[in-house]
Amino acid sequence: DAGVIQSPRHEVTEMGQEVTLRCKPISGHDYLFWYRQTMMRGLELLIYFNNNVPIDDSGMPEDRFSAKMPNASFSTLKIQPSEPRDSAVYFCASTLAGLNTEAFFGQGTRLTVV
Amino acid sequence: GQSLEQPSEVTAVEGAIVQINCTYQTSGFYGLSWYQQHDGGAPTFLSYNALDGLEETGRFSSFLSRSDSYGYLLLQELQMKDSASYFCAVRDQGGGFKTIFGAGTRLFVKA
Repeated sequence: DAGVIQSPRHEVTEMGQEVTLRCKPISGHDYLFWYRQTMMRGLELLIYFNNNVPIDDSGMPEDRFSAKMPNASFSTLKIQPSEPRDSAVYFCASTLAGLNTEAFFGQGTRLTVV
Repeated sequence: GQSLEQPSEVTAVEGAIVQINCTYQTSGFYGLSWYQQHDGGAPTFLSYNALDGLEETGRFSSFLSRSDSYGYLLLQELQMKDSASYFCAVRDQGGGFKTIFGAGTRLFVKA
């Protein structure tokens, strides 16, 4: 397997624009996580899915953020409208079910909102 | 809720041993993990402890004391390539298997 694949790797957009980040998890993994990483706040869990169903979205900062997982091989994180404070690296990770399974991370999307 | 505390920075010299501590508070504890992240890269898994004691994997070891809500990552024979950020993380089964990360410890290895 090629691992978790995220696109785009870099995104620069203007404030107010819609941004869509994409993630393809490892085939067969039951869980998919979206994290945001900044220097100030570290790695924050935004939302996670189990078998395509959102389980906990309490980390989503505002209604401007939304995430979907229409099938087992694809998820999106959308920000509409984007703001400069959304600038961060967004990681997607996937895992198998179980307590001692490692999280496999994608390479991240570096988002810059100007 | 969950919280994890670890030092923000540690500096050590090549060949030395360094210990990165982590204390945690969780509503339900099912194990402590450690991840490494190089600048510009993604976090990668290093180790997992569910039970008390020391787990060794090559130059890296991880320790857990459940009664003290404490763990550490031990890096031996430090190499320059070990310069990175190290995160402790807990897996919480509340409603699923979400993984929560600490703020990370930046390790600087000097020649």
